[in-house]
Amino acid sequence: EADIYQTPRYLVIGTGKKITLECSQTMGHDKMYWYQQDPGMELHLIHYSYGVNSTEKGDLSSESTVSRIRTEHFPLTLESARPSHTSQYLCASSDLSGSTDTQYFGPGTRLTVL
Amino acid sequence: AQTVTQSQPEMSVQEAETVTLSCTYDTSESDYYLFWYKQPPSRQMILVIRQEAYKQQNATENRFSVNFQKAAKSFSLKISDSQLGDAAMYFCAYRASYDKVIFGPGTSLSVIP
Repeated sequence: EADIYQTPRYLVIGTGKKITLECSQTMGHDKMYWYQQDPGMELHLIHYSYGVNSTEKGDLSSESTVSRIRTEHFPLTLESARPSHTSQYLCASSDLSGSTDTQYFGPGTRLTVL
Repeated sequence: AQTVTQSQPEMSVQEAETVTLSCTYDTSESDYYLFWYKQPPSRQMILVIRQEAYKQQNATENRFSVNFQKAAKSFSLKISDSQLGDAAMYFCAYRASYDKVIFGPGTSLSVIP
């Protein structure tokens, strides 16, 4: 079944640790996105990609980095986690060839940095 | 710059009643797309309904319909016969052709049994 997956769903980690949030989609979509969302608040775009080897920074400045080596995989990495990184991170994908560009979202990773 | 505004941070509705969520946007584009997404508590965000700006007819999906007023740059969502499962955050979103999607701040909808 075509879907979009995120792991881990919940992560509690200490300050200074390096973490990678995983995102994979089986829909063959070209575009993928990472959003940061505090509980009950709006989404902030932090990274996006149009396809393999394409990555762009979003509207919200972020200390994270992303890579897009395979179409289906778009991991997000924090080299040194800080308490200010505590938030929910949502991954999404969309079909670049489709005119409406409907986004399909993963379940999210809730990150807590102590 | 394009912006999306949702002026109602919180709304509530009695079960089986109708509720309307407001959304306004600012753009100089003539060709664009508008969306309503639903994010239930601790669950995945999903698309509720979408509207192409070039279509004058308002989109409908079962109990969900929109009132699209292009001149006024307004895109409200009407939920008829509200159900407990409709309780969620609702985000209005805008996209110009082949550009990033811009989300509004969201409206938290509660459904009262």
